[in-house]
Amino acid sequence: GNSVTQMEGPVTLSEEAFLTINCTYTATGYPSLFWYVQYPGEGLQLLLKATKADDKGSNKGFEATYRKETTSFHLEKGSVQVSDSAVYFCVVANQAGTALIFGKGTTLSVSS
Amino acid sequence: DGGITQSPKYLFRKEGQNVTLSCEQNLNHDAMYWYRQDPGQGLRLIYYSQIVNDFQKGDIAEGYSVSREKKESFPLTVTSAQKNPTAFYLCASSIVGYEQFFGPGTRLTVL
Repeated sequence: GNSVTQMEGPVTLSEEAFLTINCTYTATGYPSLFWYVQYPGEGLQLLLKATKADDKGSNKGFEATYRKETTSFHLEKGSVQVSDSAVYFCVVANQAGTALIFGKGTTLSVSS
Repeated sequence: DGGITQSPKYLFRKEGQNVTLSCEQNLNHDAMYWYRQDPGQGLRLIYYSQIVNDFQKGDIAEGYSVSREKKESFPLTVTSAQKNPTAFYLCASSIVGYEQFFGPGTRLTVL
């Protein structure tokens, strides 16, 4: 079945640094890909998504491009803020499109 | 406001007791889901339902049960058969095949 692997954390950055969180997937066909974010003590929020190859999802300064050649969906942000400190999950839809498969999450900590 | 509510936020259970976690949504979504989150882990799917009166087992359904009598509600019962129930439980809903929206979660602790 479909699966996803993301870089382990924690990732510790200073404010205004560049962020990359790597994510690769294994899938049959071209499932939708997502990044979700979880702030401390809260549920998950959808950060961005891409539904087909070469799509770029973007939101709140974060971007990720659906790359079928490298089966990757890396998350990037040009200048992180303290408020971006959270856990980020790379997610792939299952083959049937009925459920989501989550990576283990990457904890980002941004200091001022 | 549209959204998903889960209650209670914190729940304590003695060993051997069943406990039911509530999940309600007013987004008019057909599909609902229950996930379990353990420290340092991603989310694992317990059960999901795509329509009223029907539900499917996820990856870790043993020791859990659900019902879907109404479109808006998808309660999860953690039974005494679940060997390690202490975790953070997240409910989600979606239009079938589209992104999921999550509730704030319930943290269950077994004493």
